Amino acid sequence: QKEVEQNSGPLSVPEGAIASLNCTYSDRGSQSFFWYRQYSGKSPELIMSIYSNGDKEDGRFTAQLNKASQYVSLLIRDSQPSDSATYLCAVNRGSGGYQKVTFGTGTKLQVIP
Amino acid sequence: NAGVTQTPKFQVLKTGQSMTLQCAQDMNHNSMYWYRQDPGMGLRLIYYSASEGTTDKGEVPNGYNVSRLNKREFSLRLESAAPSQTSVYFCASSLDTWGQETQYFGPGTRLLVL
Repeated sequence: QKEVEQNSGPLSVPEGAIASLNCTYSDRGSQSFFWYRQYSGKSPELIMSIYSNGDKEDGRFTAQLNKASQYVSLLIRDSQPSDSATYLCAVNRGSGGYQKVTFGTGTKLQVIP
Repeated sequence: NAGVTQTPKFQVLKTGQSMTLQCAQDMNHNSMYWYRQDPGMGLRLIYYSASEGTTDKGEVPNGYNVSRLNKREFSLRLESAAPSQTSVYFCASSLDTWGQETQYFGPGTRLLVL
């Protein structure tokens, strides 16, 4: 089992719809969770971080964390063509000293105008 | 404020050649990282430096060496390049290595080893 798993996609949604991206992780000790967006040929950039169970909203983006089920998701409301990118889920075991961040392979999102 | 910069942007090497990838950050971050990204494999950590003067191996360190030259700069060296090292290399930095720190990435170096 991979440490961090994502569906590679592509996930296609029409403009204005909600895009739902999912990520599961294997290490129950994980405590920090990140979503990065990566445009083709570019470097990853942080979209959201979440550390406790529940929802965290930032503009059109909502991160959801369920530690009991070991999954984290990213919802993008009112999807725009500019949201078309690969979304990387990253998981960190916790705080204190160096804690390895493990990245998933990413889900490619296509927003159709 | 340039963030994280990397040089070169592109490089073609022949098998057995050596080269050094340069990385610098101007955010006064303590921690720096080198990743490689391959199709279907995601980002894999090669080496990291938790603070100036320290370096440690990551997930895939074989065939690479690093130097944390000072707080700003962290270089990655390929002593004898192999085709398996064809990849996109990203340098990143964070304030510290504590669990909640955001990593900021450089623009990447695309390396082709023939």
